[in-house]
Amino acid sequence: RKEVEQDPGPFNVPEGATVAFNCTYSNSASQSFFWYRQDCRKEPKLLMSVYSSGNEDGRFTAQLNRASQYISLLIRDSKLSDSATYLCVVNPGGSYIPTFGRGTSLIVHP
Amino acid sequence: ETGVTQSPTHLIKTRGQQVTLRCSSQSGHNTVSWYQQALGQGPQFIFQYYREEENGRGNFPPRFSGLQFPNYSSELNVNALELDDSALYLCASSSYRGDTGELFFGEGSRLTVL
Repeated sequence: RKEVEQDPGPFNVPEGATVAFNCTYSNSASQSFFWYRQDCRKEPKLLMSVYSSGNEDGRFTAQLNRASQYISLLIRDSKLSDSATYLCVVNPGGSYIPTFGRGTSLIVHP
Repeated sequence: ETGVTQSPTHLIKTRGQQVTLRCSSQSGHNTVSWYQQALGQGPQFIFQYYREEENGRGNFPPRFSGLQFPNYSSELNVNALELDDSALYLCASSSYRGDTGELFFGEGSRLTVL
């Protein structure tokens, strides 16, 4: 089993739609979790950290489920500019070497 | 802008050649991580340097080597290039054990091996 798994998609949604991605991780001792956004042929950039209590940043909501070992990202009212690849990142316990999933591609169309 | 710069941005090599990629970390950061990203894949961890020492290594052969300088800039060297080494090589700067855990990436070096 891969350390961090994501559905590569693509998720093809209309503007205004709500879309959710999940990411599963294998190391139950993992300490910290993040979502990064990567635009085509660009470098990844931090979108948001994922806290145990869940957190929200505008249209974006991240959740952590430790029991089932997954994190999620919910995007409400999708915009064309949300089209990108969303990378799930997990920091294993006792290490500070983030492990990336392969990313989920989102395409928002008019 | 993250303040992390990589060079060169693009390069073409042939099989068997050697390549050196360079990265300048963000001011105040003492940790540099290198990732390889093949087309359609997520970044794969190569190794990390913390205060000039290798702090961890991913599943890459020894022909991938690196170093970190006293100013925390870093180099990635790849010997005996293979076609599968064609990828985007990303350098990420961070503050070791930083509270946010955020990685700041450079724009990458896109390597093509022919």
